[in-house]
Amino acid sequence: LAKTTQPISMDSYEGQEVNITCSHNNIATNDYITWYQQFPSQGPRFIIQGYKTKVTNEVASLFIPADRKSSTLSLPRVSLSDTAVYYCLVGDVYNTDKLIFGTGTRLQVFP
Amino acid sequence: DARVTQTPRHKVTEMGQEVTMRCQPILGHNTVFWYRQTMMQGLELLAYFRNRAPLDDSGMPKDRFSAEMPDATLATLKIQPSEPRDSAVYFCASGLSRHQGNEQYFGPGTRLTVT
Repeated sequence: LAKTTQPISMDSYEGQEVNITCSHNNIATNDYITWYQQFPSQGPRFIIQGYKTKVTNEVASLFIPADRKSSTLSLPRVSLSDTAVYYCLVGDVYNTDKLIFGTGTRLQVFP
Repeated sequence: DARVTQTPRHKVTEMGQEVTMRCQPILGHNTVFWYRQTMMQGLELLAYFRNRAPLDDSGMPKDRFSAEMPDATLATLKIQPSEPRDSAVYFCASGLSRHQGNEQYFGPGTRLTVT
């Protein structure tokens, strides 16, 4: 399973766009990049997943460069309710059941 | 809106007591996972099942922890005897094996305090 590196914490203000970058230099050919969000006192929740280029859903966008050695989760116009821990995971999701969570990025959104 | 449920939500017990945590996975899901979360260690995978069969419990202290799935609607995690270092939030998650990008749905967790 590829190791991931992401910032421990980030601060932002309401209405701003937040970009959280994750490094995964030894990503394998079959690996996908998945992001989970965890609010205080709750379990993690799936946000978005991608393999290459760009993926967008109603919550976020995921940008993956051609070499796939990093990825960026983009949260548009954050609000106070986006304050959470964001986890970047890399793995062969179609051939393994397990997910390995790293330390995550603690995002604090201020008014 | 299908959800994973866990009971109890909170548990305070004394060292040496047995603790049983229960999880009801989402109907139709065939994988169940137990995680433990602490400030120091983060989110750790303890054990997981596919089609009720235990596949990996390498993250679990074998001498005191046990995980079972008596049926498809119930997963249990038992600690006997409990120790203060077991204090943590225990999450159960369920999913569909190797489908839908392996998305896991987490329950609300059981906050365990061992004094």
